[in-house]
Amino acid sequence: EADIYQTPRYLVIGTGKKITLECSQTMGHDKMYWYQQDPGMELHLIHYSYGVNSTEKGDLSSESTVSRIRTEHFPLTLESARPSHTSQYLCASSLGDTQYFGPGTRLTVL
Amino acid sequence: QKEVEQDPGPLSVPEGAIVSLNCTYSNSAFQYFMWYRQYSRKGPELLMYTYSSGNKEDGRFTAQVDKSSKYISLFIRDSQPSDSATYLCAMKTSYDKVIFGPGTSLSVIP
Repeated sequence: EADIYQTPRYLVIGTGKKITLECSQTMGHDKMYWYQQDPGMELHLIHYSYGVNSTEKGDLSSESTVSRIRTEHFPLTLESARPSHTSQYLCASSLGDTQYFGPGTRLTVL
Repeated sequence: QKEVEQDPGPLSVPEGAIVSLNCTYSNSAFQYFMWYRQYSRKGPELLMYTYSSGNKEDGRFTAQVDKSSKYISLFIRDSQPSDSATYLCAMKTSYDKVIFGPGTSLSVIP
């Protein structure tokens, strides 16, 4: 089983709140990713990092930001949550082409 | 046209059946092909990884890649209720990010 963790697992929050989704991995992987997944839809890459102090936006435009101050930690922040941000957020890290996923955070914005 | 298309399902089969899951793609530069399995409320986990055309077998699972037709398949023999999950195909070029299909939901009925 992959050693990648996400907290919280479920979050219900009101519009306008600032939230941070946590992601940590203990495998020492340099590459980390954030995906958004809606039911029946493909995973959309929203941010990725190839190492400490390296972050890039993915293919899906997002109002979120990320940081990579430590290898093991890759948090995602929404400054002002909106109902359109309601989704499942998956964090992953990779060694080569194999990606290891966390369990996901299911976010609901009311 | 999406880069990766996948039979949407849902697919429901009796226990013991042979299951065929399929994806088509448009980018002839894809060289690495993967199948991920995602259980409900969990992140995807890598099931099979293949490079270029050909077959790869692992227990009850066989991955097949036909680059000339831009078509990949995952076969599950002697399907079990524990195989009930969503199956995501994924692929990449030698230099770019992984692209995921939308997934096929499979239910194996005892």
